[in-house]
Amino acid sequence: EAGVVQSPRYKIIEKKQPVAFWCNPISGHNTLYWYRQNLGQGPELLIRYENEEAVDDSQLPKDRFSAERLKGVDSTLKIQPAELGDSAVYLCASSPGRINIYNEQFFGPGTRLTVL
Amino acid sequence: QQPVQSPQAVILREGEDAVINCSSSKALYSVHWYRQKHGEAPVFLMILLKGGEQKGHEKISASFNEKKQQSSLYLTASQLSYSGTYFCGTGLVSSNTGKLIFGQGTTLQVKP
Repeated sequence: EAGVVQSPRYKIIEKKQPVAFWCNPISGHNTLYWYRQNLGQGPELLIRYENEEAVDDSQLPKDRFSAERLKGVDSTLKIQPAELGDSAVYLCASSPGRINIYNEQFFGPGTRLTVL
Repeated sequence: QQPVQSPQAVILREGEDAVINCSSSKALYSVHWYRQKHGEAPVFLMILLKGGEQKGHEKISASFNEKKQQSSLYLTASQLSYSGTYFCGTGLVSSNTGKLIFGQGTTLQVKP
């Protein structure tokens, strides 16, 4: 079974530039998460999707971050414009079903973003 | 709201045991445990639910004290492959979204 796929794995940009991350979850997983992980910290939820609906985006900085999950499969997370403080690893995860507290999350390898 | 993990770091020799703790100030419905090796994705270890239900790998042992809102992960007869950073993720009773809040992590190093 293929795991969660993310691209690119690494991205270096200058501040004020836009950047986009892509995630393809495990086939059949309804729930998709985007997390940000700062160095030495645990993952912090940015947004969670149930199929194509964003059901929790309270932690997403909406002035510069946007996300979409068209057709309820793969997803894109965008930052425009990027700031120095956005440097982090952006993790995508998916899980089966809708009652997520019962199900493990399967994480992708992440995209390491460096903003110069 | 972020759970507190202790210790922050631990160094073991192969074969030794370790306990990693996760404590929350909020009422918990679930605790998830993940291990992350450097530069890799977090990998699921175990879920513990209020009421006693557990789900996870056979070789992993953990407990959930509902009264104290604490969970402990027990690593026995440690192997080199156990090295990594362990995160607990907590699901709050007050939240119906299934959101997990992760702790800051505990770094475990197992030496030969």
